[in-house]
Amino acid sequence: SQKIEQNSEALNIQEGKTATLTCNYTNYSPAYLQWYRQDPGRGPVFLLLIRENEKEKRKERLKVTFDTTLKQSLFHITASQPADSATYLCALDGNYQLIWGAGTKLIIKP
Amino acid sequence: SAVISQKPSRDICQRGTSLTIQCQVDSQVTMMFWYRQQPGQSLTLIATANQGSEATYESGFVIDKFPISRPNLTFSTLTVSNMSPEDSSIYLCSVEDPRPSGANVLTFGAGSRLTVL
Repeated sequence: SQKIEQNSEALNIQEGKTATLTCNYTNYSPAYLQWYRQDPGRGPVFLLLIRENEKEKRKERLKVTFDTTLKQSLFHITASQPADSATYLCALDGNYQLIWGAGTKLIIKP
Repeated sequence: SAVISQKPSRDICQRGTSLTIQCQVDSQVTMMFWYRQQPGQSLTLIATANQGSEATYESGFVIDKFPISRPNLTFSTLTVSNMSPEDSSIYLCSVEDPRPSGANVLTFGAGSRLTVL
């Protein structure tokens, strides 16, 4: 079955550094992959979508890469700020619904 | 994108009782989705609610346990029936955010955190 893996351990990053989160998947070749941000007590909020034929996508300080050979997406936040602290979820398109990772908690320390 | 109001935001319930979660969207949408998010786990789709027809449930979820109503194109409810501690979770409603590309991007409500004692 389709499976998505994100690092379950929290990622601690010093403010100003680049944070890199990983999303690995198996048993599927998605047409696109999405990244969402979720704050405590809130629902996920869409950030970026990358298609299978795109290597990289950028939005302000965010960058997503998609390696269909490695079956992996990397999510980068450059010049990280404490306000970037949240849980980040990746999701890929399943047959008719999104398949979600469990998320990685990112903590940006001042 | 749509704005979704969901309530209650949280509740503490007794075992064996039922609770209804409401989801109001500020625009008309064809499908509304109900998800469950258990601690440390990924989002799991419970069912898809279409206006004018019965909800479509995913494997492992049944109508008797999670009855859904969809009376119009802007509103839906999810009831968690005969609750047990295992039902303690965050329940989220969502709608599709249409994209020209056809990608299935979702907008979510803030979620309802249920604790069953």
